[in-house]
Amino acid sequence: ILNVEQSPQSLHVQEGDSTNFTCSFPSSNFYALHWYRWETAKSPEALFVMTLNGDEKKKGRISATLNTKEGYSYLYIKGSQPEDSATYLCAFSNAGGTSYGKLTFGQGTILTVHP
Amino acid sequence: ETGVTQTPRHLVMGMTNKKSLKCEQHLGHNAMYWYKQSAKKPLELMFVYNFKEQTENNSVPSRFSPECPNSSHLFLHLHTLQPEDSALYLCASSQDAVGGSFYGYTFGSGTRLTVV
Repeated sequence: ILNVEQSPQSLHVQEGDSTNFTCSFPSSNFYALHWYRWETAKSPEALFVMTLNGDEKKKGRISATLNTKEGYSYLYIKGSQPEDSATYLCAFSNAGGTSYGKLTFGQGTILTVHP
Repeated sequence: ETGVTQTPRHLVMGMTNKKSLKCEQHLGHNAMYWYKQSAKKPLELMFVYNFKEQTENNSVPSRFSPECPNSSHLFLHLHTLQPEDSALYLCASSQDAVGGSFYGYTFGSGTRLTVV
């Protein structure tokens, strides 16, 4: 059984604060790591796909880094805005065994940005 | 809209009812997935269909019965459910199963199921 752990489970910040969360995953047979943003009553929206150790991706105020050797990824949000409030999911796939061809999700980090 | 449409958005059913959830995509994808999200738990994979063939059944009870008549449509037939089956059921699609694990999925908005 592959475990994908996200921390913290929830986070409350003030508008303008910068924040970051962590996704931990098994480091063996790494294939890809995905970040999704999921607003209430909507569908999860893809943010980043990362496949190489040391990858850094950026989309506006949101960025992510990847360390496949130690099995973690960080998601950063700079200058949080109320519209950033959502659940941030990470998902992992490996290149062999039971997880090949499917994504295993973490529990998510619920971010609330207060005006 | 993401291109993956799920109906209905909400469903309340009794334990003796039979109902079906529908998922539809016209993205040209060949893999479709059912995920379940219960309160405070991660998204849990239920079924995978790749080119209309079921390639994954994650030990799902037989009261959940999937059907994939073509690459664009996926159903989840429900019968004699239990209250603990109340959850959000999400459908997703991807280019194919291997491509999905690399490039990611496109999700629908889900069906909120309540079993009474």
